[in-house]
Amino acid sequence: ETGVTQSPTHLIKTRGQQVTLRCSSQSGHNTVSWYQQALGQGPQFIFQYYREEENGRGNFPPRFSGLQFPNYSSELNVNALELDDSALYLCASSLDRASDTQYFGPGTRLTVL
Amino acid sequence: AQSVTQLGSHVSVSEGALVLLRCNYSSSVPPYLFWYVQYPNQGLQLLLKYTSAATLVKGINGFEAEFKKSETSFHLTKPSAHMSDAAEYFCAVTQNYGGSQGNLIFGKGTKLSVKP
Repeated sequence: ETGVTQSPTHLIKTRGQQVTLRCSSQSGHNTVSWYQQALGQGPQFIFQYYREEENGRGNFPPRFSGLQFPNYSSELNVNALELDDSALYLCASSLDRASDTQYFGPGTRLTVL
Repeated sequence: AQSVTQLGSHVSVSEGALVLLRCNYSSSVPPYLFWYVQYPNQGLQLLLKYTSAATLVKGINGFEAEFKKSETSFHLTKPSAHMSDAAEYFCAVTQNYGGSQGNLIFGKGTKLSVKP
């Protein structure tokens, strides 16, 4: 059974650019959540997707957007990058939206210069 | 609103000593509580979870945690630390909203160091 995978592992962008991060959920899981983990902090919830629909959103501006595909993989898009967007972006999948356990991927380290 | 407070951003113990990492939560409804571990440059791995069943929860790698409603605490313990336990530990809380699980709210983390 394949766990949650994320790509790319590392990414360097400059201010104002746009970025797309990708996540493949664990086999059989239809719910994906995205978190941002700034250096020295705990992860913060960005949003969740359930069966291709957004199912909750944290306190992030609209330039953070997402997508979930029919195979339940997901993308996180960030427009107009700011220096403070530098962080580890974690994707987590769960069996469904009622499941109490989320399984995390290894993360994508984004650096904005 | 729910929140989690982890007391102590850094904890250092000797190998073989007791590990105690503290977590207090705030929730107006019965919470679901979790401990995750993060090794350097890696994602989060679930150690254990409390979901309103037994109050003493056993997890992987010899860790356990006890849910104490009166103290709003969910402290993580391990009787004997091992060098491989050195990592960052996160406590998290969520709740069930009528069939849909809420997002995880994390504490700021506690970095555990283990001295030989």
